[in-house]
Amino acid sequence: DSGVTQTPKHLITATGQRVTLRCSPRSGDLSVYWYQQSLDQGLQFLIQYYNGEERAKGNILERFSAQQFPDLHSELNLSSLELGDSALYFCASSVAGIGYGYTFGSGTRLTVV
Amino acid sequence: GQQVMQIPQYQHVQEGEDFTTYCNSSTTLSNIQWYKQRPGGHPVFLIQLVKSGEVKKQKRLTFQFGEAKKNSSLHITATQTTDVGTYFCAGPRGGSQGNLIFGKGTKLSVKP
Repeated sequence: DSGVTQTPKHLITATGQRVTLRCSPRSGDLSVYWYQQSLDQGLQFLIQYYNGEERAKGNILERFSAQQFPDLHSELNLSSLELGDSALYFCASSVAGIGYGYTFGSGTRLTVV
Repeated sequence: GQQVMQIPQYQHVQEGEDFTTYCNSSTTLSNIQWYKQRPGGHPVFLIQLVKSGEVKKQKRLTFQFGEAKKNSSLHITATQTTDVGTYFCAGPRGGSQGNLIFGKGTKLSVKP
């Protein structure tokens, strides 16, 4: 157990639907990051939050949104799903500053059919 | 835009052989991190290098950060089947201390 909890582990849904992925960071970590991993694209950065505020955005589609709540857990909302959105979605957390790597959750495998 | 590239994409070795993966950044990095992802698992942080020319060792793994802080390498001596997985390097995006840009990884398979 890495200390970062992601739910659900697996999700199968139809095109056009909307899903919510949830992440609880490791205790004490204020930064939360969402990454998408697909076979040919590696780990693609989606969005970063720090202590409840959006810090940076990456290659996140307009159909996707996220937020971090006061208790520091985060949710990634994916809407109007397309087949190409099928991927592993990882949440990671970190302590700010040099010398600290990311701690990744076990991921949510999303399959859009 | 900023890119982090890794070679090779795949490496197949016989158990006991050495393995090296190389990481090159299009920009100078303040630090570089390495992660390992086992098949079916999630990336796990291995190490961070900060200083120009830095070399760090973890048992059979040797990590180097280039003098120009634009390249790095991971060398595994005498591979074992437990080394199987994908190794990623990552550097801060835009020179910040915030989010990381990852290379596409080198997938290592080890034949017993």
